[in-house]
Amino acid sequence: RKEVEQDPGPFNVPEGATVAFNCTYSNSASQSFFWYRQDCRKEPKLLMSVYSSGNEDGRFTAQLNRASQYISLLIRDSKLSDSATYLCVGPASSGSARQLTFGSGTQLTVLP
Amino acid sequence: EPEVTQTPSHQVTQMGQEVILRCVPISNHLYFYWYRQILGQKVEFLVSFYNNEISEKSEIFDDQFSVERPDGSNFTLKIRSTKLEDSAMYFCASSEVSSGLYSETQYFGPGTRLLVL
Repeated sequence: RKEVEQDPGPFNVPEGATVAFNCTYSNSASQSFFWYRQDCRKEPKLLMSVYSSGNEDGRFTAQLNRASQYISLLIRDSKLSDSATYLCVGPASSGSARQLTFGSGTQLTVLP
Repeated sequence: EPEVTQTPSHQVTQMGQEVILRCVPISNHLYFYWYRQILGQKVEFLVSFYNNEISEKSEIFDDQFSVERPDGSNFTLKIRSTKLEDSAMYFCASSEVSSGLYSETQYFGPGTRLLVL
C-alpha cells in the first residue's frame, strides 16, 4: 500500500462550487499532515497543516480521521485561482517525522 | 516574508559532469532538505540536514550525491557524475527545529530544473 494515496482527478468544477479531496495514509503512527498546492512547474506551497482532528482557514477546511486513516480537504466557493495540483503530505513510515512523503497529487481545474 | 531561494533556476549539463545546486534557507531555520521531482511524478525526499550533518537520507541519495553547508547561509547539493535519470526539478526546503514526533512545516524554494543530456 502506498504511504500516501490520493485520487489523481482531474476534478473540473465551475466557479463557486464546493469540492472535496480525500487522501489515505498507511502509517498509523503519523501525527501530522499537510496539504500543499503546486502550480505547474512550481514549488509546493503550504496550504494547511493538520495536527489534530482538523483545521479551517477561510474557504479551506482540512479534516483528519485517524480511525479510518484519511485526510480530506474541502474547498468552498472555489475560485479560478484555486486551479492547481493539491498534494497530500505526511511523514514517511521509515525515518522520522521530518522525512515527508508526498501523494501523487489531485489536479483541480476551476472553470469560469 | 522570508523565503527559501535557489540558484540556478535552470541547469543543463552533460552526462558524467558534476553539478552543484545552491540554496539559501530561511535564516532562522535549522533543518534543511532536498527533494526532487521527476517530470510528471511525485515529489521525493532525498536528504535532511541538521547541525552540519546528514540527519536522514533516502535510497535515492546514493554515493553520487552529497550535501554541504559551506558557510552560514548556503546549503548545497552536489551530484558527482550526473546520469540521464537525474534530470528533474530539485527543491530545497527548510524548517524550524522539529520535536521529532510532529512534522514541522517545511517551506520550499522555487527549485532548480536540471537537464542532463
